[in-house]
Amino acid sequence: TQLLEQSPQFLSIQEGENLTVYCNSSSVFSSLQWYRQEPGEGPVLLVTVVTGGEVKKLKRLTFQFGDARKDSSLHITAAQPGDTGLYLCASSIETSGSRLTFGEGTQLTVNP
Amino acid sequence: EAGVTQSPTHLIKTRGQQATLRCSPISGHTSVYWYQQALGLGLQFLLWYDEGEERNRGNFPPRFSGRQFPNYSSELNVNALELEDSALYLCASSLTRVAFFGQGTRLTVV
Repeated sequence: TQLLEQSPQFLSIQEGENLTVYCNSSSVFSSLQWYRQEPGEGPVLLVTVVTGGEVKKLKRLTFQFGDARKDSSLHITAAQPGDTGLYLCASSIETSGSRLTFGEGTQLTVNP
Repeated sequence: EAGVTQSPTHLIKTRGQQATLRCSPISGHTSVYWYQQALGLGLQFLLWYDEGEERNRGNFPPRFSGRQFPNYSSELNVNALELEDSALYLCASSLTRVAFFGQGTRLTVV
């Protein structure tokens, strides 16, 4: 059983479209991180959300943390080819021994 | 401030050989995580070290092992290499549960 469920698994869109990816768990997150990974490189931290209901913006990226701290979403406005990559959410969950746990990721392709 | 550094960046080994991968965490970080990422897939948790001790281990056979040194750097050893061990091996360091990744070591087993 995957502790962090990400959806969709794959997403292919045209430049200029908007999109939302999701990260869900049956457990409460103490905090949650979003990362972006390009092929052959390590994931790069985008944001950390801590407070239920929190919204953070990073240029065209909007991150939301659910009120109950069991889910999060990443919304990208007017996607660009440079947004292409694997988007990963991560958190420390007690049922996993408090180790840092990653979702399977959403592979986003933005076509020009 | 230097980020997480991994060496080597690329490693080619023959089936049955042993591989040693190294990781230097960000200065002051006491936790080191190791992940395996096969081509096109997500991160599979291998090992977590904190303050020199192994805290948690993923669902990998015993031929995957490692250690953390007093300076918090870490080593991942893979014995009796198999073809399916070919992957990107990522190291991350952490102080407060937020992880920062190195560029990875691309291990190819032929």
